Amino acid sequence: DIQMTQSPSSLSASVGDRVTITCRASQGIRNDLGWYQQKPGKAPKRLINAASSLQSGVPSRFSGSGSGTEFTLTISSLQPDDFATYYCLQHDSYPLTFGGGTKVEIK
Amino acid sequence: EVQLLESGGGLVQPGGSLRLSCTIFGFNFNDAAMSWVRQAPGKGLEWVSLISNTGRNSYYADSVKGRFTISRDNSRDTLYLQMSSLRADDTALYYCAKDIELSYLGQGTLVTVSS
Repeated sequence: DIQMTQSPSSLSASVGDRVTITCRASQGIRNDLGWYQQKPGKAPKRLINAASSLQSGVPSRFSGSGSGTEFTLTISSLQPDDFATYYCLQHDSYPLTFGGGTKVEIK
Repeated sequence: EVQLLESGGGLVQPGGSLRLSCTIFGFNFNDAAMSWVRQAPGKGLEWVSLISNTGRNSYYADSVKGRFTISRDNSRDTLYLQMSSLRADDTALYYCAKDIELSYLGQGTLVTVSS
C-alpha cells in the first residue's frame, strides 16, 4: 500500500499569511493526487486534482505542485474562510490512501 | 449540478448488517466509477471501496474486505454498500464519491455500531 505522509498535522497562521502543506508518497504516484478541504460538520470538497489543476470555482490563492513523491498545497494569502482541515489523496493505485490531514487554525 | 445523496445509516449492534445507498443527480452515472469513503468521529478520511462504471470490477480496503460489498444499479442511478459483520470500529460517517479521483462527495450517512 502507498503511504501518504502529510505535514504538518496542524498549524496556526494569521489572515494574509502564506501557508504550505506537504504530502509525501511512499512510492511514486505520478501526478495522481488531489487536495481536499473539510470544514467542521461538512463534507470534504476537492480543491485541486492532478496535483496542480484548480477545481472550477476554487479561489486562485490555492495552488498545488509536485509530481512523483513530493507534493505541496499552497495558500498564497490565508483568508478567514480557509480555516479548515486539508487532506491529500493518492489515486494512483489501490487501496486509495489519504494523508493524515492538516488542521489550519487561527493564530 | 452534481449531487450525491447517501441514506441507510443508523444504529446497529456489533455483528449486524446494514445497507447504504447513494443516489446521484447531475451527471451520467453509467460513465462514472464510484467510491465509498468513511470518517470515524474526530478522525481522518479512509477510502473504503470502489466500483467501476459497469460494475464489473470492485476494490476494497483491507479493513472491510470480506465483510462489505459494493454494488450499483445503473438503471436507478444508485450506488450501494452492503455491510455485514459490523464492528465498533466501523462507526463512521460514510460518504459516497464520484470517480476514482473522488471529485465530489455527498454529505454522508452516519453508521453507529454499538450494543
